[in-house]
Amino acid sequence: KAGVTQTPRYLIKTRGQQVTLSCSPISGHRSVSWYQQTPGQGLQFLFEYFSETQRNKGNFPGRFSGRQFSNSRSEMNVSTLELGDSALYLCASSVGPGSNQPQHFGDGTRLSIL
Amino acid sequence: AQSVAQPEDQVNVAEGNPLTVKCTYSVSGNPYLFWYVQYPNRGLQFLLKYITGDNLVKGSYGFEAEFNKSQTSFHLKKPSALVSDSALYFCAVRDIFDSSASKIIFGSGTRLSIRP
Repeated sequence: KAGVTQTPRYLIKTRGQQVTLSCSPISGHRSVSWYQQTPGQGLQFLFEYFSETQRNKGNFPGRFSGRQFSNSRSEMNVSTLELGDSALYLCASSVGPGSNQPQHFGDGTRLSIL
Repeated sequence: AQSVAQPEDQVNVAEGNPLTVKCTYSVSGNPYLFWYVQYPNRGLQFLLKYITGDNLVKGSYGFEAEFNKSQTSFHLKKPSALVSDSALYFCAVRDIFDSSASKIIFGSGTRLSIRP
């Protein structure tokens, strides 16, 4: 069974640009969550999607958005990039929200803002 | 609101010695508890979980964790550490009775360093 796939693995952008990151969950998983990981702030929850609907949202500005497609694949978008957006962005999938099953993580997209 | 704390940023252990990585949690109901490990430039890998039942849970790579309801703790343990156990470890909690809190909350992480 293929794991969670995130593309691209590495990305370099400049301030003011926008970026779209992609996540393909494990087959059969319908819940997708996104996290931002930085050395200073640790692992911070961005949002969770289930059945194409956002179920939970973390404390991030509106520049951060996401969506989920009917095949459960998800994208997140960051507009007007700032230097502080440099981070590892992790996607995790699970069977469904509130499940007792663990989340399965991709290897992330490392975003660097110049 | 649910929360989880990992009081130690770093734990240093000699190879062959037992290791403990601490985790305490706070939920309004009953918790689902998880441990994950992260190696450099990789995502988090699931190690073990507590849902219900036996307080001692066994997981991957020889790790185990003990659920203690009275102390609201879920410490990760291993009887004999390996150098390859060196990594970043995360504890996580989900409150199963709070439908608005379906997301998992992660601790700040503990860096485990095993010296040869």
